[in-house]
Amino acid sequence: AQSVTQPDIHITVSEGASLELRCNYSYGATPYLFWYVQSPGQGLQLLLKYFSGDTLVQGIKGFEAEFKRSQSSFNLRKPSVHWSDAAEYFCAVGPFGAGSYQLTFGKGTKLSVIP
Amino acid sequence: DAGVIQSPRHEVTEMGQEVTLRCKPISGHNSLFWYRQTMMRGLELLIYFNNNVPIDDSGMPEDRFSAKMPNASFSTLKIQPSEPRDSAVYFCASNLTPGQGNADTQYFGPGTRLTVL
Repeated sequence: AQSVTQPDIHITVSEGASLELRCNYSYGATPYLFWYVQSPGQGLQLLLKYFSGDTLVQGIKGFEAEFKRSQSSFNLRKPSVHWSDAAEYFCAVGPFGAGSYQLTFGKGTKLSVIP
Repeated sequence: DAGVIQSPRHEVTEMGQEVTLRCKPISGHNSLFWYRQTMMRGLELLIYFNNNVPIDDSGMPEDRFSAKMPNASFSTLKIQPSEPRDSAVYFCASNLTPGQGNADTQYFGPGTRLTVL
């Protein structure tokens, strides 16, 4: 069974600082990987996704993530954080095999931004 | 596009009462998912439908929970009887059928915050 670990429950950064959110997954085959963001009181919104090809993927709002198979990681990065990035971030993995679109989510990392 | 629509946004009920949560997926989307989010357990998949047919309900916690999708534009999640431990935010999400563009991306509704007293 697949699983996702987000080791950091809560991260605080200053506005303008760089950001890296960690995600490690466990899956027996090539995974399909996602990062979603949840603003307070809102549903989840897709930031970016990786299926194959270039291991560095670009997403919305200036985010990017790098897939590292050897480390089973898919870390999310942003070079300069804005106050509006304060939210909770979820990493997810899915098999997408034989019509299955089930996602397994990590527990999330809450990001706070200091002005 | 209106996105995934959920109602009600907030529900407060007393233990033992029946609760019905509603979801309207994005038009043209053929897969629909119900999730539950709590502080302790995070985001859990309860059940998902493909073309109105339940595919996997292994995440449904117990018989008190049931879900239906009578047509492509409507789904319900019912809890009867409700208990305080059911208090959570319930999300509905939808995506396209496999093989269609962006079928991998789930679009989430705003959620229903359920409080059972």
